[in-house]
Amino acid sequence: DAKTTQPPSMDCAEGRAANLPCNHSTISGNEYVYWYRQIHSQGPQYIIHGLKNNETNEMASLIITEDRKSSTLILPHATLRDTAVYYCIVRVTGGGADGLTFGKGTHLIIQP
Amino acid sequence: GAVVSQHPSWVICKSGTSVKIECRSLDFQATTMFWYRQFPKQSLMLMATSNEGSKATYEQGVEKDKFLINHASLTLSTLTVTSAHPEDSSFYICSAEGGLAGVVQFFGPGTRLTVL
Repeated sequence: DAKTTQPPSMDCAEGRAANLPCNHSTISGNEYVYWYRQIHSQGPQYIIHGLKNNETNEMASLIITEDRKSSTLILPHATLRDTAVYYCIVRVTGGGADGLTFGKGTHLIIQP
Repeated sequence: GAVVSQHPSWVICKSGTSVKIECRSLDFQATTMFWYRQFPKQSLMLMATSNEGSKATYEQGVEKDKFLINHASLTLSTLTVTSAHPEDSSFYICSAEGGLAGVVQFFGPGTRLTVL
């Protein structure tokens, strides 16, 4: 069963911020939210992860709602190279690593 | 981030032969490595989880005698597809976690297997 729900596709203009939503209404208290992306015919690339506080790194920002039932990945200035499938995954960390369960993700298309 | 490599990046083999795929964590020691498979237009599916020095744990529906996994060191895991058939043609991707990589799984670039 998919633990997350994402829109199947989104468009964004180059140079604008891309905001990718994810619903995870059944998330447990010890589950983190992870974001990965996959460019065609490549392995997934780690973007960011968080528990309940908002997080930012050199690639993106992650905004998690206070009730933790949803989150948004923000790519601040999208480029054509950001066109990819983005996966939002919830997972317990620490003490016995589990594999990741990939849903269908969101196909983000950056338009020139 | 941490770097994971795979070799080969692509392989073509005849039906009935065996193929070995290597997965290496280049700059960290991975306590756990994972193998995934991805068919065209589908998402990644976890095949198995392996910890260094112990037997791999396979997901339901994955034949352990067909997909042999060896995790001999903290930086190397291998997947051998035995007696490959055309239906085994797929994109095989490994990931690694642990050590300096912490709680993040880093993925290799993948291996495209085509069985004729």
